[in-house]
Amino acid sequence: DTAVSQTPKYLVTQMGNDKSIKCEQNLGHDTMYWYKQDSKKFLKIMFSYNNKELIINETVPNRFSPKSPDKAHLNLHINSLELGDSAVYFCASSQDGLAGVVETQYFGPGTRLLVL
Amino acid sequence: AQSVAQPEDQVNVAEGNPLTVKCTYSVSGNPYLFWYVQYPNRGLQFLLKYITGDNLVKGSYGFEAEFNKSQTSFHLKKPSALVSDSALYFCAVRDRGRLSFNKFYFGSGTKLNVKP
Repeated sequence: DTAVSQTPKYLVTQMGNDKSIKCEQNLGHDTMYWYKQDSKKFLKIMFSYNNKELIINETVPNRFSPKSPDKAHLNLHINSLELGDSAVYFCASSQDGLAGVVETQYFGPGTRLLVL
Repeated sequence: AQSVAQPEDQVNVAEGNPLTVKCTYSVSGNPYLFWYVQYPNRGLQFLLKYITGDNLVKGSYGFEAEFNKSQTSFHLKKPSALVSDSALYFCAVRDRGRLSFNKFYFGSGTKLNVKP
């Protein structure tokens, strides 16, 4: 009954490669997010999609491209991986209240990316 | 600009003693405030949130937090700590603007160590 799931859990790859991380939520939420947690545990939002529409796009290199095929999925594709991309990437979802309702975000277990 | 500060990187407490994990924020207007907990190699789990109303908010696992508007603080507390409470705790803030689209700003995290 996993609410927010991510694959893979671990990803080890060489610099310069292209990789994708997938996220799926079965909570019926309409908003999904990608966060990056660095080695110091600092957590920062990267992207957010609401009903498949990009609504938050922080200052992230354009090597990172999110794609939302439907409301339940938000994938993250990374081109030309760099050493500094090594981090834990968390997906999250919420039932966003465009009318001002504040909903809790629910997080996936994370994908640990190591770029060698 | 919105920001969240967790002044302590680490908090050590003996089992059975009360614990406090501090959080202060800086936002325009009145924010929505959240606490999340992260266990090793896991995603973030929601603990509690303050939206409006009573300044003392009760959450999961016996945790509570007090919203103090004058001090712009939202400290997490528990009357009696358990060894199993040892984890990384994150404070988060979201502003009340409709266009914020549930954009969270996270603090840097505080590692709680509860010793038997």
